[in-house]
Amino acid sequence: NAGVTQTPKFRVLKTGQSMTLLCAQDMNHEYMYWYRQDPGMGLRLIHYSVGEGTTAKGEVPDGYNVSRLKKQNFLLGLESAAPSQTSVYFCASSYSRKGTVGQPQHFGDGTRLSIL
Amino acid sequence: GQQLNQSPQSMFIQEGEDVSMNCTSSSIFNTWLWYKQDPGEGPVLLIALYKAGELTSNGRLTAQFGITRKDSFLNISASIPSDVGIYFCAGQLAAGNKLTFGGGTRVLVKP
Repeated sequence: NAGVTQTPKFRVLKTGQSMTLLCAQDMNHEYMYWYRQDPGMGLRLIHYSVGEGTTAKGEVPDGYNVSRLKKQNFLLGLESAAPSQTSVYFCASSYSRKGTVGQPQHFGDGTRLSIL
Repeated sequence: GQQLNQSPQSMFIQEGEDVSMNCTSSSIFNTWLWYKQDPGEGPVLLIALYKAGELTSNGRLTAQFGITRKDSFLNISASIPSDVGIYFCAGQLAAGNKLTFGGGTRVLVKP
C-alpha cells in the first residue's frame, strides 16, 4: 500500500535556486497538506488544499507556492530558496465528507531539504 | 492563534513502565489525534478521538478526549523498547480543517 508518497527524499540546494516537491496519494483523499518540521517546533502548516484546483494558506506560507492540478497530486514550490527554508517537509492527505467530524491525516515519509 | 502545549517535552522509560503524556489547548477542538513519529519517517496515526469524554484504546495505548474539549492525554502501558519515538498530539476543529500540533513528547529509553 503506497498511501502518501513524497519525492524526492533528500535534496541540497543553493540559495536562490528553485525546486518543486511532489506529493502523491492513492487513497482518493480530497484534502492535502504541506507541513514543515523544524527542531523543537513540531509541525507547521505551509499550505493546504480542500480539493482539485483549490489551495489555501496555512500558518507559514511565505516563500512557498502550491498547486493541485490533479486530485492525487499536491506540489510545493520554492521559487528562490533561502537558508531559512532548510527543513523537513511533510505532505499529508485526509478524507472528508461534508457534515462529518475531522478525519485523520495520513503522512508521507518526508523530504529533507538543505539550502546552502 | 491556537496553541497546543504538550508535556512533558521528553521522558525516559524503563521497559515495563507505564507512560503518560498530555496536551492542553487555549481553545476547544472537536477532534483530538495522537501521532507517533520514528526517526526518518512521517507521523503515523495512533488514536483518533471524536467526542468529549471519549476514552479509546489501541493495544497498549489509551487516550482520552477531555470533557472541556481543551485537553487530551495519552497513556502507554507496559512500555517496550519500540515505544521510543516522538509523540505528537493534534487538534482539529472540523472536517478537513487543518491540524494544530503540539510540540511533541520525546520518549527515550533509560540508560
